[in-house]
Amino acid sequence: GAGVSQSPSNKVTEKGKDVELRCDPISGHTALYWYRQSLGQGLEFLIYFQGNSAPDKSGLPSDRFSAERTGGSVSTLTIQRTQQEDSAVYLCASSLLGRALYRDYGYTFGSGTRLTVV
Amino acid sequence: KQEVTQIPAALSVPEGENLVLNCSFTDSAIYNLQWFRQDPGKGLTSLLLIQSSQREQTSGRLNASLDKSSGRSTLYIAASQPGDSATYLCAVSYTGNQFYFGTGTSLTVIP
Repeated sequence: GAGVSQSPSNKVTEKGKDVELRCDPISGHTALYWYRQSLGQGLEFLIYFQGNSAPDKSGLPSDRFSAERTGGSVSTLTIQRTQQEDSAVYLCASSLLGRALYRDYGYTFGSGTRLTVV
Repeated sequence: KQEVTQIPAALSVPEGENLVLNCSFTDSAIYNLQWFRQDPGKGLTSLLLIQSSQREQTSGRLNASLDKSSGRSTLYIAASQPGDSATYLCAVSYTGNQFYFGTGTSLTVIP
């Protein structure tokens, strides 16, 4: 697509429920990243995909968080048993080739999913 | 943990004024640095990307500089306009796999 698409744009869920957030990167972008932005705080790195593999999962805050990417394209971030502290804007970004092969490409971000856990 | 600091946290200027936003980072061995703007309720828009071998990048009224030795970058906005009002984020990458973001500078340009 023309840009990075995220869905839903807004999600309100009850504490304890599972949620799935979707990211559709720019066509042909092999690298995909998930960040989250909590109120009044900077962006926090969650996970990075190169193709379908995730060489860097260091930012996932707990084992309730998981992510997968299929076909080198769409990615899903799943949060199980949501807690109120999970409330944040979850942002997805993609880049053409990532670090391994190219130095000249920065990120393109989606508009994010605003998650509210009540 | 890598730290990225942006000063000031908020800035208000009259339309037409030139302004400078500052970003500092603790580890000078960066891979690249990127400036973004974020409008309320929206995602991030990339403004300028500076590779570690470069000293500056320009796009229209924007100019970003990079001084690795001192761990600093500046974003210069010329002839500011009300449409420039947004939060500006500086992000530093050391590996290319993730960026470390500052908390941003909230800019208001007063008509």
